[in-house]
Amino acid sequence: DVKVTQSSRYLVKRTGEKVFLECVQDMDHENMFWYRQDPGLGLRLIYFSYDVKMKEKGDIPEGYSVSREKKERFSLILESASTNQTSMYLCASSLLSSGTDTQYFGPGTRLTVL
Amino acid sequence: GENVEQHPSTLSVQEGDSAVIKCTYSDSASNYFPWYKQELGKRPQLIIDIRSNVGEKKDQRIAVTLNKTAKHFSLHITETQPEDSAVYFCAAILHTGGFKTIFGAGTRLFVKA
Repeated sequence: DVKVTQSSRYLVKRTGEKVFLECVQDMDHENMFWYRQDPGLGLRLIYFSYDVKMKEKGDIPEGYSVSREKKERFSLILESASTNQTSMYLCASSLLSSGTDTQYFGPGTRLTVL
Repeated sequence: GENVEQHPSTLSVQEGDSAVIKCTYSDSASNYFPWYKQELGKRPQLIIDIRSNVGEKKDQRIAVTLNKTAKHFSLHITETQPEDSAVYFCAAILHTGGFKTIFGAGTRLFVKA
C-alpha cells in the first residue's frame, strides 16, 4: 500500500516568511508532484520531478521552488510567503514504469499566510 | 495548450438516482483517463480508470465511457448513496516522453438522503 505523507496538516505563516513543505513517499516512485487546490480551480500543478535532483515547472511555478535531494522526498519552498499563497497543498507520487501515471496523494497541507 | 474541461461543477441528486459527470480533453494523443474521488477533508484517490483502447469500463456502481473521436469521457454512478458525496476529478494523461497529467476542475457531488 502506497503511503505518501506530508510534514504538516495545517500551517500558519506570516507574509515574507520562508516556508518549507515536505513530502515523503515509501514506494520508490520516480515521479513526485506538488499541486495547490483552490475552490473552483481544481488541482493546479506547481512543480514536478521525474528523478533525484531533477525538477520541471508546472503550470503555476511563480513564487515557489522545489528540492529533490533523495528519491523519496520532495520539498516545496515558498521563498517569501504571500497572502495569495494561502491554499491547500497536495503532494503526489507515481511510478514511471506503470505506464499510467496513477497518482497517489498525500493528505494535504492547509497553509494560511497572514 | 492541453486542457481538460469538466462539467458540471456542482451536481445534486437524490439517493438512488444516477449521476453523470462529463469531461472533454483537448489533446488527441491522450491515452489514459483516470477518475479521482476526494471526500471532504481527505486526499484524492483513484476510483476507476480507462485506457484509450477501451470504450467502456465498469466496476460495481461506477462506470466510465470514452469517446475518442469526440474526445469525451464520462463517469456514471448508479444507485447513488450518501457516501458518494465528494469532489470528483477527471484527468487525461499525455505521454510525451514522460507523462503529463491534466486534471479537470472537479465536480462537487451531493447525494441527498
